[in-house]
Amino acid sequence: AQSVTQPDIHITVSEGASLELRCNYSYGATPYLFWYVQSPGQGLQLLLKYFSGDTLVQGIKGFEAEFKRSQSSFNLRKPSVHWSDAAEYFCAVGVGLTGGGNKLTFGTGTQLKVEL
Amino acid sequence: DAGVIQSPRHEVTEMGQEVTLRCKPISGHNSLFWYRQTMMRGLELLIYFNNNVPIDDSGMPEDRFSAKMPNASFSTLKIQPSEPRDSAVYFCASSHHQGGNTEAFFGQGTRLTVV
Repeated sequence: AQSVTQPDIHITVSEGASLELRCNYSYGATPYLFWYVQSPGQGLQLLLKYFSGDTLVQGIKGFEAEFKRSQSSFNLRKPSVHWSDAAEYFCAVGVGLTGGGNKLTFGTGTQLKVEL
Repeated sequence: DAGVIQSPRHEVTEMGQEVTLRCKPISGHNSLFWYRQTMMRGLELLIYFNNNVPIDDSGMPEDRFSAKMPNASFSTLKIQPSEPRDSAVYFCASSHHQGGNTEAFFGQGTRLTVV
């Protein structure tokens, strides 16, 4: 069965500093990988996704992530964090479903705090 | 499009009562998912539908939980009877699958509190 590990429960960075959120997955085949962000009281918004091709993917809000098959990782990065980026971030691996689409298995999330 | 719409946003009910959560997926999407989020277990997939048909309900915790999708624009998740341990945020998500993989779009969730 697939699984996702986000080793950092909480991360605090200063505004303007760079950010890297770690994600490791376990899946026997080529994974479909996602990063979602959740602001307090809100649903999950997709930041970016990897299905195939270029292993460096660009997302919304200036985020990017790099798929490294050898390390089973899909780390999320941002060169300069803004105070509005404070939220909870979820990495997910998708497994193809009958009829199409992906069953998402989520990591436990990383809570990002941004210091002004 | 207004996105995935869930109602109510908040629900407080007494133990033993029936609870019905509602979801309107994005128009044109043919897959619908119900997830539950708790502190202890994180985000879990409860059930998913494809073209209004339940495909996999292995994540539904107990027989007290049931879900329906009578048409392409509406789904319900019902808990009867409800218990305090059902307190969680329930998310509905939808996606469109034709010719490739796509991502799931989530609603804002229903925060359920069972007292």
